Amino acid sequence: SQQGEEDPQALSIQEGENATMNCSYKTSINNLQWYRQNSGRGLVHLILIRSNEREKHSGRLRVTLDTSKKSSSLLITASRAADTASYFCATVLNAGGTSYGKLTFGQGTILTVHP
Amino acid sequence: KAGVTQTPRYLIKTRGQQVTLSCSPISGHRSVSWYQQTPGQGLQFLFEYFSETQRNKGNFPGRFSGRQFSNSRSEMNVSTLELGDSALYLCASRPGSLYEQYFGPGTRLTVT
Repeated sequence: SQQGEEDPQALSIQEGENATMNCSYKTSINNLQWYRQNSGRGLVHLILIRSNEREKHSGRLRVTLDTSKKSSSLLITASRAADTASYFCATVLNAGGTSYGKLTFGQGTILTVHP
Repeated sequence: KAGVTQTPRYLIKTRGQQVTLSCSPISGHRSVSWYQQTPGQGLQFLFEYFSETQRNKGNFPGRFSGRQFSNSRSEMNVSTLELGDSALYLCASRPGSLYEQYFGPGTRLTVT
């Protein structure tokens, strides 16, 4: 079963606008990662935030993590048509080294950016 | 470095048959994880292999198995295929010291 929920399930915006996706999870985590998937292809790692971090930036991406609420958000600023994809959050549980290769995914948000 | 490769990319099998999927990780990566993606269940973890040992296993029946070779290449096998096994199977590799995973393009399995 999935670790948590993502919302919205689908998001449609215009180029240049910002896109915000939210993710919630259920158990104690070591880190949380965001991945992008284009049209049923392989996933691409975007950004990782550790459980002791609150915010992280990478280019046009900003991720926040609130461990007290067990939630994270991904903000993509100045969206482009090329950002159209599905976005997934994935958690790594805080259960020792043997768990580090197991990602538990949310259901994903489908982002459509219109030119 | 070359990315993660998976073969075959597409596969059509009949119920009751078995199938073997292959994954070649990025050079130097010792960990390989496998995931199943379906519209209904989303992305689900199957198992992880590290240095030829299975380190973690997801909640799948015993029909799903895997192995890893000394060169870190990995295979997964599904026996007695069911219609519900139709899915995109993704493998991912990572260096043992890092958490982020690098995914292959996947194998699209269709069971008829």
